[in-house]
Amino acid sequence: EAEVAQSPRYKITEKSQAVAFWCDPISGHATLYWYRQILGQGPELLVQFQDESVVDDSQLPKDRFSAERLKGVDSTLKIQPAELGDSAMYLCASSPRYRSTEAFFGQGTRLTVV
Amino acid sequence: AQTVTQSQPEMSVQEAETVTLSCTYDTSESDYYLFWYKQPPSRQMILVIRQEAYKQQNATENRFSVNFQKAAKSFSLKISDSQLGDAAMYFCAYRSGVQGAQKLVFGQGTRLTINP
Repeated sequence: EAEVAQSPRYKITEKSQAVAFWCDPISGHATLYWYRQILGQGPELLVQFQDESVVDDSQLPKDRFSAERLKGVDSTLKIQPAELGDSAMYLCASSPRYRSTEAFFGQGTRLTVV
Repeated sequence: AQTVTQSQPEMSVQEAETVTLSCTYDTSESDYYLFWYKQPPSRQMILVIRQEAYKQQNATENRFSVNFQKAAKSFSLKISDSQLGDAAMYFCAYRSGVQGAQKLVFGQGTRLTINP
């Protein structure tokens, strides 16, 4: 069964350092999402791609966060510099082009900033 | 902007019993989709059930069913014959039907505990 792949599963970094997360969506899925989930809360959208284009990054802290999906397939989310408040689970999800289908989630990257 | 509210941070139920998780949402749209996602301790979010707003019939998936009240903007999840494997965080989510506005908006979640 096809799955959304994310790496690394866990990351510990010192504040002010740079960190990057990688996501490989299910093959053929045009839409890719990055969500941030603080412990005990629901996920919140950081950025949404349709193919290689950003369609929603309104909640992405652009002074320190960046995301790209250069060939419309896999994607990288970067934080530079990391802050203590960035500690969270970062979830990647993908969905086919048609609107009625749910999103499929990866296992996430647990980030701890120390 | 659309919002989703889950008013029960935690719920518990005895194994084999029935439990209902509550969800309300706020939207001015008429075309949208509602979902219940399950997030087990391993943290991967998986879909439990989906409801299209234009359908009056409540969705059902085996032991899981919803009570969709469109006028009241309520979307509760009923789990029948609860099993130990049902223990997880449950998230209610909203997705607009507007083309290009396909992000999922999540509630805060309900932690469900199953007592043996």
